[in-house]
Amino acid sequence: EVQLVESGGGLVQPGGSLRLSCAASRFAFSSYYMHWVRQVPGKGLVWVSRINIDGSGTTYADSVKGRFTISRDNAKNTLYLQMNSLRAEDTAVYYCASFKSGYWGQGTLVTVSS
Amino acid sequence: QAVVTQEPSLTVSPGGTVTLTCGSSTGAVTSGHYPYWFQQKPGQAPRTLIYETNNKHSWTPARFSASLLGGKAALTLSGAQPEDDAEYYCFLSYSGVVVFGGGTKLTVL
Repeated sequence: EVQLVESGGGLVQPGGSLRLSCAASRFAFSSYYMHWVRQVPGKGLVWVSRINIDGSGTTYADSVKGRFTISRDNAKNTLYLQMNSLRAEDTAVYYCASFKSGYWGQGTLVTVSS
Repeated sequence: QAVVTQEPSLTVSPGGTVTLTCGSSTGAVTSGHYPYWFQQKPGQAPRTLIYETNNKHSWTPARFSASLLGGKAALTLSGAQPEDDAEYYCFLSYSGVVVFGGGTKLTVL
């Protein structure tokens, strides 16, 4: 069974940093673009960022551009999201996903609060 | 940034047919927007139903189909089942930037 497992979420103060990870197993990780998507509980899905197969190309939503960095390690089958200068409005469940293959992780909650 | 629009809510009777749509503020939706459709139930992660306009995954029930219709992406559910009661999201891609629609709450009643 394919698994995408996010980790690294938690409580952080405004202005702080967190690094999310997404570990893939039984999945051709290095063959797919990967994405981060976030969702405030009870609200809709919001796309955050995308990275291409070899990590040489990235795109970001305007709301996180310059603060968040997506990266990947294909040798470790792991996707990352470095989140800096966090704001209260970044509070959400963060999902990693491979849209074309159809797989999503279960999400990790990030809470930005003093 | 483009805005992707979906019906906020729809209701379908069990066994009935309903079409959900996904529009773009920039004009007609084309295959070049790579429309995707997702289903999400409370407390669960989203599940991908349709990728790149009309392609199904192995787990996508046959009663779901997708197309481009009237300048929008469309998801049609034929023969609705109680388990189809859920939130449905589409997204469109704009030169690598993905924008989700606000979601459609589909009630099977």
